[in-house]
Amino acid sequence: RKEVEQDPGPFNVPEGATVAFNCTYSNSASQSFFWYRQDCRKEPKLLMSVYSSGNEDGRFTAQLNRASQYISLLIRDSKLSDSATYLCVVNGPGNQFYFGTGTSLTVIP
Amino acid sequence: GAVVSQHPSRVICKSGTSVKIECRSLDFQATTMFWYRQFPKQSLMLMATSNEGSKATYEQGVEKDKFLINHASLTLSTLTVTSAHPEDSSFYICSARSGTLRVEAFFGQGTRLTVV
Repeated sequence: RKEVEQDPGPFNVPEGATVAFNCTYSNSASQSFFWYRQDCRKEPKLLMSVYSSGNEDGRFTAQLNRASQYISLLIRDSKLSDSATYLCVVNGPGNQFYFGTGTSLTVIP
Repeated sequence: GAVVSQHPSRVICKSGTSVKIECRSLDFQATTMFWYRQFPKQSLMLMATSNEGSKATYEQGVEKDKFLINHASLTLSTLTVTSAHPEDSSFYICSARSGTLRVEAFFGQGTRLTVV
């Protein structure tokens, strides 16, 4: 079983739409969780960390459900510039970072 | 934010030769560095984790004798692809984290390796 599983999409949404991505992780001992954004042929960049209490950064909201071992990312009022691949990342007990396959988002004018 | 520099950004080499990729943390001490490989339209696959001054821990299926990792200092890790073959052509990315700076990892710009 993969460490991190993510729906690869693609998600094609109109501008202004709300879109949600989910991700599940297999190791209950995982401690830290993140969403990264990767643009085509570029390195991943940290979008936001995910805390147990949930956290919001502008149009982006991340949530963690430890009991069900899943993480979510909600993007409100989608912009064209939000088009990218969103990677769910889990910090394993051995200090490794494991990536989901990424979810491709295209925001359409 | 913290800066990780990876070099070279692109390299083309002949089959059978070795290629060294460097990963440097420029403004923090990286206690742990990670090496990933990404094939087209796929996610990053962790190859190995290295802690400064100790041997790297390789993920299952990654040949440690083929992908040599050295993390000799707190700011530099190198990945050497030995006896490269065309199937080694990929995008290699390093990331680094500090034990004290922040929990998240910071990524280098990646190296696109093409073996001909």
